[in-house]
Amino acid sequence: QKEVEQNSGPLSVPEGAIASLNCTYSDRGSQSFFWYRQYSGKSPELIMSIYSNGDKEDGRFTAQLNKASQYVSLLIRDSQPSDSATYLCAVNLSGGYNKLIFGAGTRLAVHP
Amino acid sequence: DGGITQSPKYLFRKEGQNVTLSCEQNLNHDAMYWYRQDPGQGLRLIYYSQIVNDFQKGDIAEGYSVSREKKESFPLTVTSAQKNPTAFYLCASSSGTGGGGDTQYFGPGTRLTVL
Repeated sequence: QKEVEQNSGPLSVPEGAIASLNCTYSDRGSQSFFWYRQYSGKSPELIMSIYSNGDKEDGRFTAQLNKASQYVSLLIRDSQPSDSATYLCAVNLSGGYNKLIFGAGTRLAVHP
Repeated sequence: DGGITQSPKYLFRKEGQNVTLSCEQNLNHDAMYWYRQDPGQGLRLIYYSQIVNDFQKGDIAEGYSVSREKKESFPLTVTSAQKNPTAFYLCASSSGTGGGGDTQYFGPGTRLTVL
């Protein structure tokens, strides 16, 4: 059973701080990794995708991937109360078709 | 205005009834997916379709059925055989051309409650 693990939280950070969200996965052959943000009662929206080892930055968001350690993370700089949501990590299984396995999500709370 | 639409937003089902959830996309995507989300859990794949007139079972297909007669549409039927259907149902689509790196985009979801 291929798995994606996330700390459920809540992760509480003050406004303006860096929030660090972590995810580990079991399928060593996975090549594609995605972070989605989900507000309460809403559908997931894509934040970032990453495919290569290292860092990928997009505005206040940085995704980090370490395939050797089977670890992917999302950093949110200058956290805002509007960032308060559940963040879902998704990993594409190896095997030739586009099947995503989702973690249960980490709930982030940014307090003023 | 491109995107994915799902209807209805809320749906109530009585015991023993079949209900059909609609999913339409105008993104010209080849691949479409149905997921189920339960409170505190990640999304679980019900069915997916990579091309018109073809679909495959996901991890939790029992009690569900789908069709893919048109590229834009991928309706999901929740049958009476599904014993615990109360959940948030999410439809997604992707271009279908990128293999393992194909990004999936989600519709707004349908919240189904069994009475």
